Amino acid sequence: ETGVTQTPRHLVMGMTNKKSLKCEQHLGHNAMYWYKQSAKKPLELMFVYNFKEQTENNSVPSRFSPECPNSSHLFLHLHTLQPEDSALYLCASSQDRDSGSEQYFGPGTRLTVT
Amino acid sequence: AQRVTQPEKLLSVFKGAPVELKCNYSYSGSPELFWYVQYSRQRLQLLLRHISRESIKGFTADLNKGETSFHLKKPFAQEEDSAMYYCALGGNYGQNFVFGPGTRLSVLP
Repeated sequence: ETGVTQTPRHLVMGMTNKKSLKCEQHLGHNAMYWYKQSAKKPLELMFVYNFKEQTENNSVPSRFSPECPNSSHLFLHLHTLQPEDSALYLCASSQDRDSGSEQYFGPGTRLTVT
Repeated sequence: AQRVTQPEKLLSVFKGAPVELKCNYSYSGSPELFWYVQYSRQRLQLLLRHISRESIKGFTADLNKGETSFHLKKPFAQEEDSAMYYCALGGNYGQNFVFGPGTRLSVLP
């Protein structure tokens, strides 16, 4: 599959569960991003990785833990989440971290925390 | 701090009418401005960026540093333009990339 893929597309988890979101890009890009999109807030940048190194963490709570084993894969590990963490989590990639680079988005994972 | 505002949550126009989606930003450095679009049941995608000075699908946007604006315009709206539009701001290398809250454009027949 081409482009940016995300799995699962939907996830329901309890507050005590541990789960992981996966993102994969087949574009040969070097930068990858996690965004949170909730109904009442603008799209929020969570984490940025450039050449597998985390370059930004926008004051995200530690219950969200990113992992980037290589430039093509990005994970978001979730544990002890809160109901307010329910949202659409989007992954994106770009050629590099240059702010002028176009970001390509995945379809998102719809997360519901019960 | 970087900030992007889009004052209209919803904008409805009739087919063939001109449309303008407003975007204002605050940033002390040299801004890079973008418009992203999300059509129904499709993923978020880049529409255009100010640095390219291009017209995509009939849309144009001019960066006005004096007014700190980057409004998106199209002279004749089409029904297929109905979508969610996000203005986005990037700065110098390493700066955060910030999206506006979005404007839902509805083009009526």
